[in-house]
Amino acid sequence: AQKVTQAQTEISVVEKEDVTLDCVYETRDTTYYLFWYKQPPSGELVFLIRRNSFDEQNEISGRYSWNFQKSTSSFNFTITASQVVDSAVYFCALRGGTSYGKLTFGQGTILTVHP
Amino acid sequence: SQTIHQWPATLVQPVGSPLSLECTVEGTSNPNLYWYRQAAGRGLQLLFYSVGIGQISSEVPQNLSASRPQDRQFILSSKKLLLSDSGFYLCAWSAGVAYQPQHFGDGTRLSIL
Repeated sequence: AQKVTQAQTEISVVEKEDVTLDCVYETRDTTYYLFWYKQPPSGELVFLIRRNSFDEQNEISGRYSWNFQKSTSSFNFTITASQVVDSAVYFCALRGGTSYGKLTFGQGTILTVHP
Repeated sequence: SQTIHQWPATLVQPVGSPLSLECTVEGTSNPNLYWYRQAAGRGLQLLFYSVGIGQISSEVPQNLSASRPQDRQFILSSKKLLLSDSGFYLCAWSAGVAYQPQHFGDGTRLSIL
């Protein structure tokens, strides 16, 4: 069975602070894929990034960065210099290499950035 | 480019009434299609997925059903809605390989009275 845990239910920061969203996963698959999605108040889920299990290289995209550590089964997401527009629910998700098309989502972290 | 359309955006239905939510995808062929439900703004629950026309897999036994009459059309239905069917329903598509992300529609907010 696969499982994704986002232990932080809610995070509140002030604009320009850095914030890290934690994601821990469990899977028995040797090949798997990790994803982060953003859900703004309007409701749609926006795909942010995918990481393959065989590629532990961290990634930076503007103010966003992702730290994938296989040894601790974690795929954490950091927003640098947060902005009010970053306020959303963020979901981490996992798909095993053998689980055709099915994503397992974490419960999400509500991020609120105050001006 | 690929786009996904989902409608209606909002729906208010009485208990016991039927339901039909529709989702279509443009710009791709033979996508995998999915229906999710999200209760209280948290946690997505996969309801159904389809890897081809007429092929539907159900993840959770419930009051709902899904159909895929055409390659890029996915329909979520119910004959008689229950109060517990209230929620935010999201349709998604992905290419048919595991590493491709799922892309979501804008969702339907369903309220049962």
